[in-house]
Amino acid sequence: DAKTTQPTSMDCAEGRAANLPCNHSTISGNEYVYWYRQIHSQGPQYIIHGLKNNETNEMASLIITEDRKSSTLILPHATLRDTAVYYCIVRVAHGSGNTGKLIFGQGTTLQVKP
Amino acid sequence: DAGVIQSPRHEVTEMGQEVTLRCKPISGHNSLFWYRQTMMRGLELLIYFNNNVPIDDSGMPEDRFSAKMPNASFSTLKIQPSEPRDSAVYFCASKGRVDQPQHFGDGTRLSIL
Repeated sequence: DAKTTQPTSMDCAEGRAANLPCNHSTISGNEYVYWYRQIHSQGPQYIIHGLKNNETNEMASLIITEDRKSSTLILPHATLRDTAVYYCIVRVAHGSGNTGKLIFGQGTTLQVKP
Repeated sequence: DAGVIQSPRHEVTEMGQEVTLRCKPISGHNSLFWYRQTMMRGLELLIYFNNNVPIDDSGMPEDRFSAKMPNASFSTLKIQPSEPRDSAVYFCASKGRVDQPQHFGDGTRLSIL
């Protein structure tokens, strides 16, 4: 699975959009980009994933560059409860000999401030 | 629907004792994963099961660790004998169809004295 690079930490003002970048320059054509977050003392929580098109759900938007070498997770209106460690993970789809295991890096610690 | 349920939430025991962590995956999910999280090493995959069969246990640190999944609704991770360096938060996750994400439990915080 491709390696990802994320900033160690970021701050965001409450109510503003939080834009979390992720570099995955060695991503393969069949690898998806997944985002999870981990709020203190809880298990990781799935946010969103995508292959090449931009994706949006009730939690966030995922913008993937055309060359797929980087992506940005957008939390449109950050709240204090969005303070967490955000993990960007790339992996091949389940199947083709892979059962979907995730390899977590160090992630980005997002601090949402009042 | 209930999420992934882990027990106990906290465990404190003395080194040398046997420790058993338990996990109930989400009903209908056919893949189950055990992870360990420490400050030094982050979140690491220990072992995963597909349809109750262990597929990859390359992340299990040593023979003191063992995991079983006797049926689709229950899995255990056992450490015998436990050592202080096993202190960590242990997470269980389950997954359904190929296009669905993993769902994690809230973990077991294990302290070995």
